[in-house]
Amino acid sequence: QAVVTQEPSLTVSPGGTVTLTCGSNTGPVTRSHYSYWFQQKPGQAPRTLFYETNGRHSWTPARFSVSLLGGKTVLTLSGAQPEDEAEYYCLLVFDGAVKIGGGTKLTV
Amino acid sequence: EVHVEEFGGRLVQPGGSLRLSCVVSGLTFRNHWMNWVRQARGKGLEWVANINEDGSEIHYVGSVRGRFTISRDNAESSLYLQMNSLRVEDAAVYYCLSNIGYWGQGTLVTVSS
Repeated sequence: QAVVTQEPSLTVSPGGTVTLTCGSNTGPVTRSHYSYWFQQKPGQAPRTLFYETNGRHSWTPARFSVSLLGGKTVLTLSGAQPEDEAEYYCLLVFDGAVKIGGGTKLTV
Repeated sequence: EVHVEEFGGRLVQPGGSLRLSCVVSGLTFRNHWMNWVRQARGKGLEWVANINEDGSEIHYVGSVRGRFTISRDNAESSLYLQMNSLRVEDAAVYYCLSNIGYWGQGTLVTVSS
């Protein structure tokens, strides 16, 4: 059974850069996993930052970027802002079925 | 502008049934995979089920397989989740999610006697 792994928590200073990673115990994450990154703030519904590997929504701030690196999908935040403090989730697709990681609590 | 809205959440007793609906506007619904994702209070996101564009391919998380049924009506731009034999652990906010990342605000399902 596939397990999606994320860092439980990370801290970044305002204006700093942080990378969040998402991996799978089944092997390297590739484009065939159609990876997604979501941001969720307390009391709010999640919102999608990136979909199907690197699709960016119009509301995704330019300071966020995504890449496939070292067998993982990596979300990079460059120039962190206080409003970026949130929970971040990764989703991977495994031949149609879906797994979501446990989330990374990002503190700014 | 894309709008996603879920309906149908309420209090139900263990063993009971409930049908959730999700209506999507602003995108060509019939061209998109759709998902149900849930979140128990204070917990992370859990994917529940998905369905492909024409309903011919469906997947479920193991804990709901055989109890929940996902379906869609492309003419109505609607997604459904029929939930039977509900358990206390099914209590959560249920979200509708499109394959290009549009979420609704969720509908709350409470399972309690």
